[in-house]
Amino acid sequence: ETGVTQSPTHLIKTRGQQVTLRCSSQSGHNTVSWYQQALGQGPQFIFQYYREEENGRGNFPPRFSGLQFPNYSSELNVNALELDDSALYLCASSVSGILEQFFGPGTRLTVL
Amino acid sequence: ELKVEQNPLFLSMQEGKNYTIYCNYSTTSDRLYWYRQDPGKSLESLFVLLSNGAVKQEGRLMASLDTKARLSTLHITAAVHDLSATYFCAVDNPQYKLSFGAGTTVTVRA
Repeated sequence: ETGVTQSPTHLIKTRGQQVTLRCSSQSGHNTVSWYQQALGQGPQFIFQYYREEENGRGNFPPRFSGLQFPNYSSELNVNALELDDSALYLCASSVSGILEQFFGPGTRLTVL
Repeated sequence: ELKVEQNPLFLSMQEGKNYTIYCNYSTTSDRLYWYRQDPGKSLESLFVLLSNGAVKQEGRLMASLDTKARLSTLHITAAVHDLSATYFCAVDNPQYKLSFGAGTTVTVRA
C-alpha cells in the first residue's frame, strides 16, 4: 500500500509568481485535504476535495485554488504569490472525508 | 469559529519524569486527534479519540478525551530523549475539517 506522496519537496518562487503543488492520495482514499503550516504554527485548513468537487474551504483567498482528478490525486495552485505564502504545504487523504486523515511529507515553499 | 488551545506551548522535560499536555476546544466535537511532528517533517498520527471517555495508550504516551469538558490530555510517562518533538492536537469539525492547536514543543533533557 502506497502512502500519501507530494511533489516537489522544496520550491523557491518570487513574489507575484504562480505555483502548482501536487499530491497523490493513499490507495483507496477518495478525499484530499490541503493545509498550510507557517513556521512555528499549527496547520491551517485550506480546502478539501471529495470526488473531484470542493467540499469545504478555510479562510484563504481565491488565489488559492485546487483540483482533484479522477484518480483522486490533487493539485494546489497559488497565484500572485506573497511573502506570507512561504510555508510547508501538507496534503492529507482519507476515505470519504469522515475518517482519519493521513498526511504526506509536505512541500516547503519559499517566496522571495 | 472553532478554537483549539494547547498548553503549554513549550515544555522542557527532565528524563524520567511525568508530564501532561492539555488541549481545550471551543465547540462540540466527538473526534480528536494527536499528532507528532519532528523538525522539518510531516505529521505522524499518534492517537484517534472517537468518543467521550476514550483513553488510548502507546508506549510512554497516553491520551484521553472528555467531550463534556471539551478537553483532551496527552500524558507522558518517564520522559525519554526520543520524545522530543512538537505535539499537536486537532479537532474534527464540519466546516474546517481539522482545526489544529498551535502545538507544544517538547524538549527532553538528561
